Amino acid sequence: GENVEQHPSTLSVQEGDSAVIKCTYSDSASNYFPWYKQELGKRPQLIIDIRSNVGEKKDQRIAVTLNKTAKHFSLHITETQPEDSAVYFCAASIWSGNQFYFGTGTSLTVIP
Amino acid sequence: GAGVSQSPSNKVTEKGKDVELRCDPISGHTALYWYRQSLGQGLEFLIYFQGNSAPDKSGLPSDRFSAERTGGSVSTLTIQRTQQEDSAVYLCASSFPLAGATDTQYFGPGTRLTVL
Repeated sequence: GENVEQHPSTLSVQEGDSAVIKCTYSDSASNYFPWYKQELGKRPQLIIDIRSNVGEKKDQRIAVTLNKTAKHFSLHITETQPEDSAVYFCAASIWSGNQFYFGTGTSLTVIP
Repeated sequence: GAGVSQSPSNKVTEKGKDVELRCDPISGHTALYWYRQSLGQGLEFLIYFQGNSAPDKSGLPSDRFSAERTGGSVSTLTIQRTQQEDSAVYLCASSFPLAGATDTQYFGPGTRLTVL
């Protein structure tokens, strides 16, 4: 089955700096890669996603890149703000859509 | 429209008791997922329902766990003879996958289960 690994587990950056979180997956059949942000005590919320037919997607300060050959994808947050502090989860989904395989999460702290 | 809702929001029970957790997906969403999130941990897949197909139960940790989805809408996750290690937040998510593809999941607020 699919195995998703996420790094780093914790990340601290100064406000205004960039943050990068990386995930790798094992199953080349995976074709959908969402990223979720989970603030303390709240539900995960989708912030951006990418499908395997594109290599990069951007939404304001957030971008995701996908390298299908290497089977890894990354979340990039630029000009970080304190409200970006949260746990971020990556996920990979196989074409059949039966399961989403989640990474173990990255706790991001943006220091004012 | 309304998002995914779950009830109760919190449940405290004694070891050995049975509990039922409820999920109301977004109207029209055919796919429904249950996950478990232990304190400070990631999301652990439990079970998946898609339309009228047989559910994917491959993530259920033991036979004490079961889930139903009646009428293709509301789902109930049942944990029998609860153990302390069952303490976690149980999250439900729904989506509307296009034919043969995957789609965005929308999460409910979760039920925090504490087994004493």
